[in-house]
Amino acid sequence: QVQLQESGPGLVKPSQTLSLTCTVSGGSISSGSYYWSWIRQPAGKGLEWIGRIYTSGSTNYNPSLKSRVTISVDTSKNQFSLKLSSVTAADTAVYYCAREGVIPDYWGQGTLVTVSS
Amino acid sequence: QSVLTQPPSASGTPGQRVTISCSGSSSNIGSNTVNWYQQLPGTAPKLLIYRNNQRPSGVPDRFSGSKSGTSASLAISGLQSEDEADYYCAAWDDSLNGWVFGGGTKLTVL
Repeated sequence: QVQLQESGPGLVKPSQTLSLTCTVSGGSISSGSYYWSWIRQPAGKGLEWIGRIYTSGSTNYNPSLKSRVTISVDTSKNQFSLKLSSVTAADTAVYYCAREGVIPDYWGQGTLVTVSS
Repeated sequence: QSVLTQPPSASGTPGQRVTISCSGSSSNIGSNTVNWYQQLPGTAPKLLIYRNNQRPSGVPDRFSGSKSGTSASLAISGLQSEDEADYYCAAWDDSLNGWVFGGGTKLTVL
């Protein structure tokens, strides 16, 4: 069964770039017809889709975040990554990575990223 | 402000049937299927219903979904204490070209 695990700094300073990596185990990231997604959830609030990448490298981003987001994939490491630039306190959230077949079905456990000086 | 609209809270007693609504528009629920997630405190969302009314393996048949027009509903019958969680609806939005979620409904089992 596929498993996903987020990793990266838990604290980022305002105006800097948030960088997270999702490591996929239990299957190859490049096999099958899957998108690999990032979703976030501020404390006590709902879910917000950030964007996704196909194994071919094609991407879709949330229009509200598009100017600041980059999602990439490293098939040799079975990982995909998120970079969010010019962060503010509003970007403080639990960040989840997920595999998307029909819909985001397998999720990582999430990692809390706090934006603070 | 979430693109899909859900009631912030719902409640019921053990054994009861409860429903949670999700309202959208022609660009999301009106033209695509609806999916539901259950999120227990401190955990990642778990897929509960996909393609309007399909249950992944392991999800009890007490959970069911339906869709009509630009709205959808999640029904939970035979309510149990372990069903106390946050529930989110989700759909692909053709205008945004991305996934949109409801704001979530906190279900309390009294």
